Amino acid sequence: EAEVAQSPRYKITEKSQAVAFWCDPISGHATLYWYRQILGQGPELLVQFQDESVVDDSQLPKDRFSAERLKGVDSTLKIQPAELGDSAMYLCASSRGWTENTDTQYFGPGTRLTVL
Amino acid sequence: AQSVTQLGSHVSVSEGALVLLRCNYSSSVPPYLFWYVQYPNQGLQLLLKYTSAATLVKGINGFEAEFKKSETSFHLTKPSAHMSDAAEYFCAVSSYSSASKIIFGSGTRLSIRP
Repeated sequence: EAEVAQSPRYKITEKSQAVAFWCDPISGHATLYWYRQILGQGPELLVQFQDESVVDDSQLPKDRFSAERLKGVDSTLKIQPAELGDSAMYLCASSRGWTENTDTQYFGPGTRLTVL
Repeated sequence: AQSVTQLGSHVSVSEGALVLLRCNYSSSVPPYLFWYVQYPNQGLQLLLKYTSAATLVKGINGFEAEFKKSETSFHLTKPSAHMSDAAEYFCAVSSYSSASKIIFGSGTRLSIRP
């Protein structure tokens, strides 16, 4: 069964350092999502791509966060500089990109970031 | 704006007992509703979803949920809890006009007592 891949699974960094997370969606999935999940809360959407284009980045803190999906396949989320409040699980999800209600988001295992 | 409220951040039941996790939603348009499960240090897995067809939705692992418009509820149930059901459960909402924009609740941690 195809899965969404993410790396690294765990990342520890010091504040003010740069970090990057990678996501490889399920093959053929046009839509890719990055979520942030703070401990004890539900996931919140940071950015959504349709192929290589950003569809929604309204909740992305653009002063320090950036995301790209250059060839419309895998994606990278970067934080520079990291702050203590960025400690969270970063989840990637993908879907076929259908507009019908049958489209389903499939989640990767996440990257747990700890900022010291 | 859409939102979901999950009643109870932690629910504990005995193995073999009924599981009931509560979710109420708020939406100005007909909603799509979801339940996801998250095991420790893993991503989310879709249990079931309601998209305006049958109001009683059956999902994986023996779970089901009923959409009640009059009560704005979408509670998750399972007749008999198993130890492997211990996890975090998230209720979520989206809509036809923005089907991909899913808003998650804060989650309910389910513990199973032997």
